[in-house]
Amino acid sequence: AQKITQTQPGMFVQEKEAVTLDCTYDTSDPSYGLFWYKQPSSGEMIFLIYQGSYDQQNATEGRYSLNFQKARKSANLVISASQLGDSAMYFCAMREPGNQFYFGTGTSLTVIP
Amino acid sequence: KAGVTQTPRYLIKTRGQQVTLSCSPISGHRSVSWYQQTPGQGLQFLFEYFSETQRNKGNFPGRFSGRQFSNSRSEMNVSTLELGDSALYLCASSLRSTNEKLFFGSGTQLSVL
Repeated sequence: AQKITQTQPGMFVQEKEAVTLDCTYDTSDPSYGLFWYKQPSSGEMIFLIYQGSYDQQNATEGRYSLNFQKARKSANLVISASQLGDSAMYFCAMREPGNQFYFGTGTSLTVIP
Repeated sequence: KAGVTQTPRYLIKTRGQQVTLSCSPISGHRSVSWYQQTPGQGLQFLFEYFSETQRNKGNFPGRFSGRQFSNSRSEMNVSTLELGDSALYLCASSLRSTNEKLFFGSGTQLSVL
């Protein structure tokens, strides 16, 4: 089974609107971390946000928030007030303690002016 | 503080050759991991090193190998190159090998002709 599933290969959003990028994960370990990364066309991966499995509240970092639904094993990224510079590939990732990082196949986000 | 540095940035090789990629982590970071990224495949985990010891290894053939030096710098070697090895190879570092975010380099774009 895939550890990380991103079902949206491509998404479009109007500038200044909010957008949700989906991510589901699979693990039997009670302790894990969830991450979102952004990869612009330049290629470098940029860390956006982190959610620990024991965190009670959803993580937020500026315009980014993570909609963490533990029972559904869902960790969707919400970007509010989209900007043109948000156009990029977005990757969801998970790590279990002592184990490797698992990445999804990514979602390509295009912000339309 | 300097970021993760990968050299070279671009590399062109022919089938059957071997290649060595280099990665210098952020100062003080002891964990280095390598990923292969191809279009549509997301990031595939190659291996992770922590304090010169390989901690995790992905599902890649033995042609792919790596090592880490005492100064935490890491090298990745691919022998007997195949066309399918053409990819962006990303290196990432973190302070420890736990639930911490990864800091990525800009990658080495390898083309095998």
